[in-house]
Amino acid sequence: GAVVSQHPSRVICKSGTSVKIECRSLDFQATTMFWYRQFPKKSLMLMATSNEGSKATYEQGVEKDKFLINHASLTLSTLTVTSAHPEDSSFYICSARSGFAEAFFGQGTRLTVV
Amino acid sequence: AQTVTQSQPEMSVQEAETVTLSCTYDTSESDYYLFWYKQPPSRQMILVIRQEAYKQQNATENRFSVNFQKAAKSFSLKISDSQLGDAAMYFCAYGYQGGSEKLVFGKGMKLTVNP
Repeated sequence: GAVVSQHPSRVICKSGTSVKIECRSLDFQATTMFWYRQFPKKSLMLMATSNEGSKATYEQGVEKDKFLINHASLTLSTLTVTSAHPEDSSFYICSARSGFAEAFFGQGTRLTVV
Repeated sequence: AQTVTQSQPEMSVQEAETVTLSCTYDTSESDYYLFWYKQPPSRQMILVIRQEAYKQQNATENRFSVNFQKAAKSFSLKISDSQLGDAAMYFCAYGYQGGSEKLVFGKGMKLTVNP
């Protein structure tokens, strides 16, 4: 299957700083990528849909200014958590489904804000 | 709007036995896909099996098979000869025919495999 690589897998940052998470499609062009947040033992909560070359579409209740998404190329989407706070600590996962029936997922990023 | 329901939050099975995970969904579309994803402790989401709605034949992948009942909007996963490595969270998901549309996930079910 297609490969989606997410980096970093773990990050610890200080409260008030920003952190960037990258999601790359390694062997296919991902015109659309999705960013999820997952709380322990819970399902995936879709945060936003990222389309190459255009603004991301955010789900209701997700702060656009806090979670900045950029999809500048067909193989890279980034999620930047701005002015992070401890409540932003979570597991973030990206996926891409462009042109395929199934979605392919990155390995996820565990963010801890201290 | 499409919804996916997994009513059993947890299940357990003895190693080498068979277990069935249930899933129901709601949609007004006729062309769509259904998926079962597995999330082991590593938290990497792994596709287990997929079913195209237009196909009457149930999908199978080695020890994994589905019972797809389109009229009842039911999509259960059967795991035969359960192995310790099958222990994970399992998510049922719905995807519209359009390839760039988001998947809709159920709440997930934790499967424990007892040795």
